[in-house]
Amino acid sequence: TQLLEQSPQFLSIQEGENLTVYCNSSSVFSSLQWYRQEPGEGPVLLVTVVTGGEVKKLKRLTFQFGDARKDSSLHITAAQPGDTGLYLCAGSGTYKYIFGTGTRLKVLA
Amino acid sequence: EAGVAQSPRYKIIEKRQSVAFWCNPISGHATLYWYQQILGQGPKLLIQFQNNGVVDDSQLPKDRFSAERLKGVDSTLKIQPAKLEDSAVYLCASSQSIRGGRVYTGELFFGEGSRLTVL
Repeated sequence: TQLLEQSPQFLSIQEGENLTVYCNSSSVFSSLQWYRQEPGEGPVLLVTVVTGGEVKKLKRLTFQFGDARKDSSLHITAAQPGDTGLYLCAGSGTYKYIFGTGTRLKVLA
Repeated sequence: EAGVAQSPRYKIIEKRQSVAFWCNPISGHATLYWYQQILGQGPKLLIQFQNNGVVDDSQLPKDRFSAERLKGVDSTLKIQPAKLEDSAVYLCASSQSIRGGRVYTGELFFGEGSRLTVL
């Protein structure tokens, strides 16, 4: 069974701080996606990484796919209150997406 | 482009009662997913359809849950009888066809979800 563990589970930081969220698995994934979910809404895609070692940037967010395609990280620079939400990684393998356990981020003004 | 539509948004029932959720995916999306999300956790895949065929239902509790996707468009997820532990948000998502054979790399588009409370 493929599992994706995210850490930390919860994170509460002050506006302007940097943070990193990790997504780890013992399984290899063909691609990995990061989603953000706000209360009362469905997850929304932030990025897809496909190649081992790939790095993608989305404004203040930097995403990296591990060389072995078993792990990924999301780094946020100078966090803002608008970054608050549930961050989910999702690994794509045969036929389906597996979602991670989630990291709940709260950025305090 | 219209997004994924789900109804109802909220449902409160007593245990042992039945409930049904409806999903209308984005037009033209061949793949439809039903996920169960317990509060604060990541979504768990219940069932995945490709057109009107089931691709994966390995985590669907088949003694109480059922789902169908008639004509390869709308889908309904039913729970009968409901248990307390079924309290969750039921998310429907859709995506375009697969790229590169069996590997899924496309974006999942989610609806707002149906929140079920079982008392």
